Amino acid sequence: GAVVSQHPSRVICKSGTSVKIECRSLDFQATTMFWYRQFPKQSLMLMATSNEGSKATYEQGVEKDKFLINHASLTLSTLTVTSAHPEDSSFYICSARQQGHGSAFFGQGTRLTVV
Amino acid sequence: DAKTTQPTSMDCAEGRAANLPCNHSTISGNEYVYWYRQIHSQGPQYIIHGLKNNETNEMASLIITEDRKSSTLILPHATLRDTAVYYCIVRMEYGNKLVFGAGTILRVKS
Repeated sequence: GAVVSQHPSRVICKSGTSVKIECRSLDFQATTMFWYRQFPKQSLMLMATSNEGSKATYEQGVEKDKFLINHASLTLSTLTVTSAHPEDSSFYICSARQQGHGSAFFGQGTRLTVV
Repeated sequence: DAKTTQPTSMDCAEGRAANLPCNHSTISGNEYVYWYRQIHSQGPQYIIHGLKNNETNEMASLIITEDRKSSTLILPHATLRDTAVYYCIVRMEYGNKLVFGAGTILRVKS
């Protein structure tokens, strides 16, 4: 299957700082990328959908000014958690879908800990 | 997208077939059944998907009932590394979102 790489895999940051997570499709062009968040022992929760070159579409209850998503190219999307707080600590996962293909492929996830 | 119902958890002996059921009674004619799994602390992994015919690949087989209201994912010879949460998701093939439910925790035991 297609490869999606997420970086970093783990990050610890101080409250009030911002953290950027990168998601790259390594061997295909991703017209659509998705960002999920997962708390311990829970399922994945979709945060937003981003299409290359346009603004992201956020799910209800997700603050777009707090979770900034940029999908500037067909192989890269970034999620920036701004002014992070301890309650933002979670497992963040990206997914990418190639145009004309139904299946989406996932990155390995980023464990964010805000202290 | 149609809702799915899966058992919360299942156990399977190593080397035996693991059969994971999924109910999707409200599935519409152009919706596909997708299966993903998530091993602890990793991103989900695509397994297989199908519309109405049974499908098989190197990982698993997908059996969809004739009325398409339910399906079964079959791992023919489960190994300890197959221990994971398995998600059954119904959506249009080129639908925009993959929405995850609670999934089934499969524990493969030696």
